[in-house]
Amino acid sequence: AQTVTQSQPEMSVQEAETVTLSCTYDTSESDYYLFWYKQPPSRQMILVIRQEAYKQQNATENRFSVNFQKAAKSFSLKISDSQLGDAAMYFCAWKNYGGSQGNLIFGKGTKLSVKP
Amino acid sequence: GAVVSQHPSRVICKSGTSVKIECRSLDFQATTMFWYRQFPKKSLMLMATSNEGSKATYEQGVEKDKFLINHASLTLSTLTVTSAHPEDSSFYICSARRERYEQYFGPGTRLTVT
Repeated sequence: AQTVTQSQPEMSVQEAETVTLSCTYDTSESDYYLFWYKQPPSRQMILVIRQEAYKQQNATENRFSVNFQKAAKSFSLKISDSQLGDAAMYFCAWKNYGGSQGNLIFGKGTKLSVKP
Repeated sequence: GAVVSQHPSRVICKSGTSVKIECRSLDFQATTMFWYRQFPKKSLMLMATSNEGSKATYEQGVEKDKFLINHASLTLSTLTVTSAHPEDSSFYICSARRERYEQYFGPGTRLTVT
């Protein structure tokens, strides 16, 4: 069975600084997707970034980028120039590549605090 | 972007009564919708997967007779908590899949059973 592990229950970063959130996963499949979701205090889940496993290039979305290490089964999220609005729970998630089948497997989350 | 709505956002009901939560994909058709439950400071726990026009698939440990799911159309899925008890109090989140991997989440419903 697939598992997603986020080893950092809580992280803190100074405003304008950079922070990296860790995520590792376990799967025997070769094709899959990886995601980072943000859940602010409003509880609305927001997709931050997505990575297809077959792509070697790391995904980036403005201040958010990932370091995808397929062999190591690692998928970390880097947030640059942190802003107060980045404070939230961040969930790493895995999904198989199989068409319409499969659901997201979530990690336990990392609570990010941003200090002014 | 794709929008998923949930109604109601908050509901308080008395123990023993049933409550229905609606999940709608507003600007796309969703063949698959998901229902999650989230406890305070915890991750999302998948309860069931529903496909339009067919019976929902429940995760292990989720009582299908207690949590009734109906996916009547490509834009609407409902979760009915039957004979609710205080331990059913939680935050329920629905999600709708648009294409192979695009999954969008509703804003959630906080259920309190007194």
